[in-house]
Amino acid sequence: AQSVTQLDSQVPVFEEAPVELRCNYSSSVSVYLFWYVQYPNQGLQLLLKYLSGSTLVKGINGFEAEFNKSQTSFHLRKPSVHISDTAEYFCAVSDLGGFKTIFGAGTRLFVKA
Amino acid sequence: SAVISQKPSRDICQRGTSLTIQCQVDSQVTMMFWYRQQPGQSLTLIATANQGSEATYESGFVIDKFPISRPNLTFSTLTVSNMSPEDSSIYLCSVDGQGRTGELFFGEGSRLTVL
Repeated sequence: AQSVTQLDSQVPVFEEAPVELRCNYSSSVSVYLFWYVQYPNQGLQLLLKYLSGSTLVKGINGFEAEFNKSQTSFHLRKPSVHISDTAEYFCAVSDLGGFKTIFGAGTRLFVKA
Repeated sequence: SAVISQKPSRDICQRGTSLTIQCQVDSQVTMMFWYRQQPGQSLTLIATANQGSEATYESGFVIDKFPISRPNLTFSTLTVSNMSPEDSSIYLCSVDGQGRTGELFFGEGSRLTVL
């Protein structure tokens, strides 16, 4: 079974500052890793995914994440945030068959002017 | 990608009643998933629905409470039966992307409030 831990429930940050949202996972088998974003009153949208290959993954809206197998982490980063990045961010893991995706508790990113 | 439409987008329901949520996808998909997102919390998988077979429910969810239909490859319904205030949540329909990697596409959700 897999599990996902997002280490920060809320992250306040000033506009144009860098941000890192932390995610650790647990699994006895290889997994795929994802970050999703949920804007207010909307469904979830995929930001980026790690399936295989390069451990540095680039996604939409200037976000990137690095897969670290030894630390079982998949932290999300952005060098300079905008007010429009204010949203809930979910880290997720799925088994290699894609049969079940497990979500972390979410991190609320709040970008201040 | 897939475009997913859910109805209703929101509803206010009375305790003891049932509500059916519809999910329509613009392309044929094998697997459809229903998630629940309780206020301020993450997503919890309710069940997986494959066309032509019974839905597979996760621990803590039962068919009598959350019956699911999957009549074809583009449509599914989730019914929340005999509702109580604890059922107040956002219910999200999702489908798997290409390649069975676990990448999901989501509808905008159905926000239910039970009084």
